[in-house]
Amino acid sequence: DQQVKQNSPSLSVQEGRISILNCDYTNSMFDYFLWYKKYPAEGPTFLISISSIKDKNEDGRFTVFLNKSAKHLSLHIVPSQPGDSAVYFCAAHPRHGSSNTGKLIFGQGTTLQVKP
Amino acid sequence: NAGVTQTPKFRVLKTGQSMTLLCAQDMNHEYMYWYRQDPGMGLRLIHYSVGEGTTAKGEVPDGYNVSRLKKQNFLLGLESAAPSQTSVYFCASSRDRGRVAADGYTFGSGTRLTVV
Repeated sequence: DQQVKQNSPSLSVQEGRISILNCDYTNSMFDYFLWYKKYPAEGPTFLISISSIKDKNEDGRFTVFLNKSAKHLSLHIVPSQPGDSAVYFCAAHPRHGSSNTGKLIFGQGTTLQVKP
Repeated sequence: NAGVTQTPKFRVLKTGQSMTLLCAQDMNHEYMYWYRQDPGMGLRLIHYSVGEGTTAKGEVPDGYNVSRLKKQNFLLGLESAAPSQTSVYFCASSRDRGRVAADGYTFGSGTRLTVV
């Protein structure tokens, strides 16, 4: 069963507008959520994270919102730039007791295309 | 500063052949991971290690073995390759569990493996 889901395989946005990427999760035992960006032929790179005790985190043009009651998070990119065109993965970090594994559970990814 | 280096970058195997993928990191990270990326499936954890000499199974471990004899290296082995193991393989590392939650992993650039 997919615990972290990105239901939109792709998104196309005009340069300068807002990009909103969505992610849903089913497990309430996650303590952090992360977003990664991946260009073709490269590994994913960390973008931004949010703790489950917060509902918003900003870093420049990137803002992540967390709605715990809906088990939903979203990444907003404002303004979108052509260089933002990439695959975006959301990931969740399980809250563990004595086990320290640092495992992340990833969504399927959403391909963002920002048109000039 | 090389970060995480994966070798080889590309490989074509025949069914039944064996091979080893090498991951090397120069950041003195304790935690290392092997993921595979498949279309529509996102990134799935194969095996991971929380320190030198330790390994553990992830979400999709069947058909793979790993070893972490040195802290900086994490090897992924395929004993008898199958077409279902055609995928892009990513290695990742993190200093510790706390850093995973806050800053995520550092990924390598991937190994594209085709099994025919």
